[in-house]
Amino acid sequence: SQTIHQWPATLVQPVGSPLSLECTVEGTSNPNLYWYRQAAGRGLQLLFYSVGIGQISSEVPQNLSASRPQDRQFILSSKKLLLSDSGFYLCAWSEQGAPGDEAFFGQGTRLTVV
Amino acid sequence: QQQVKQSPQSLIVQKGGISIINCAYENTAFDYFPWYQQFPGKGPALLIAIRPDVSEKKEGRFTISFNKSAKQFSLHIMDSQPGDSATYFCAASISGGGADGLTFGKGTHLIIQP
Repeated sequence: SQTIHQWPATLVQPVGSPLSLECTVEGTSNPNLYWYRQAAGRGLQLLFYSVGIGQISSEVPQNLSASRPQDRQFILSSKKLLLSDSGFYLCAWSEQGAPGDEAFFGQGTRLTVV
Repeated sequence: QQQVKQSPQSLIVQKGGISIINCAYENTAFDYFPWYQQFPGKGPALLIAIRPDVSEKKEGRFTISFNKSAKQFSLHIMDSQPGDSATYFCAASISGGGADGLTFGKGTHLIIQP
């Protein structure tokens, strides 16, 4: 069966420090991968998605970047964190091709920038 | 950005009652409508989903009602239990429409009072 791992679960970082959140998927090949951010009362905002190694699409301009160095690995990064980067970050995956609609989420990372 | 509007933002229901959460969408190309359930500190998990070829789908105590002409769909939780207390998100996507993911509503915080 497929599983998704996301770490760390919680993170407190000072303003201006770098960020690296990692997500890996097991039990499937060539998945679509996603990074979402969830702010209180604002639902789930898609930040990045990837259809393959090295292929990253950004949905919103921001202080963050994403990379996919391996088929089932997705990394969210920042060179210098801002206070506004605080939030709950979720990695997700879905199957390539039809229907490919169902998305499976990791357990999330609670990031607090201080 | 394509929108999915969800209401109410919060809902309190007595144990044994019916919880109803509503969503409306704008893009008539959407053809996959899932509901996700999220417990505090966890990632969202798929609860139930529907496609426009049916007007209703039932799984246990959870039912999705779909009104294509009104571009609305709703989640009904029958015999609501305290364990159903969570945040619920509706979402919509276009099947095979690419990896840009699901468009989510802003969520409903449901509390079931014992």
